[in-house]
Amino acid sequence: EGQLLESGGGLVQPGGSLRLSCVCSGFTFSNSAMNWVRQAPGKGLEWVSAISGGGASTEYADSVKGRLTISRDNSKNTLFLQMNSLRAEDTAVYYCAKAAYRSAVVTALGVRYYMDVWGKGTTVTVSS
Amino acid sequence: EIVMTQSPATLSVSPGERATLSCRASQSVSTYLAWYQQRPGQAPRLLIYGVSTRATGIPARFSGSGSGTEFTLTISSLQPEDFAVYYCQQYKDWPPLYSFGQGTKLEIK
Repeated sequence: EGQLLESGGGLVQPGGSLRLSCVCSGFTFSNSAMNWVRQAPGKGLEWVSAISGGGASTEYADSVKGRLTISRDNSKNTLFLQMNSLRAEDTAVYYCAKAAYRSAVVTALGVRYYMDVWGKGTTVTVSS
Repeated sequence: EIVMTQSPATLSVSPGERATLSCRASQSVSTYLAWYQQRPGQAPRLLIYGVSTRATGIPARFSGSGSGTEFTLTISSLQPEDFAVYYCQQYKDWPPLYSFGQGTKLEIK
């Protein structure tokens, strides 16, 4: 089914940068579209970004567009989220999650999918 | 955009009893509806997709129903580990902006 392990979170000042990583195993990473979903303290789930299996297509929530960049290294089975110009409202637990649709492998974006495997999350705190 | 609304915000139920959680979409999502469970301090876990199909390893006491705009997650005979927050998510629309409901906290009565 797969395992995902995030890292890279921490405390950063407003305007600062962080790079999150998500190491994946147990499935063919290069075939799978991947997502970042975040959860602010005491709040619900917010989809942040997605990337296609090959990495050519990306999508972002309006709240992070231009500041966060999703990427992947398929040779290392690793998903990334580069976070720049961070704001207090970016404070959250960041989860990586694999796209799925029934028994099909979801590689492209713009198709319907849910998220069937989630990492444990990494905490980002933006504060002075 | 499709807005997902869950009710109630908090549901108090005794162990062994049945819990019924609701999710409403602002417009039809057909059968593109998933449910996730999030236990305290843990990551979300996929419970159900396609309205009623249980994900791998999910016990039969979890069931989903509905179509269009009204959906229900039912948990029969609640176990201690079932007390958690439950989120519905529509995946009819792309990109999945605001695709999650705000969650229902299922607490022990």
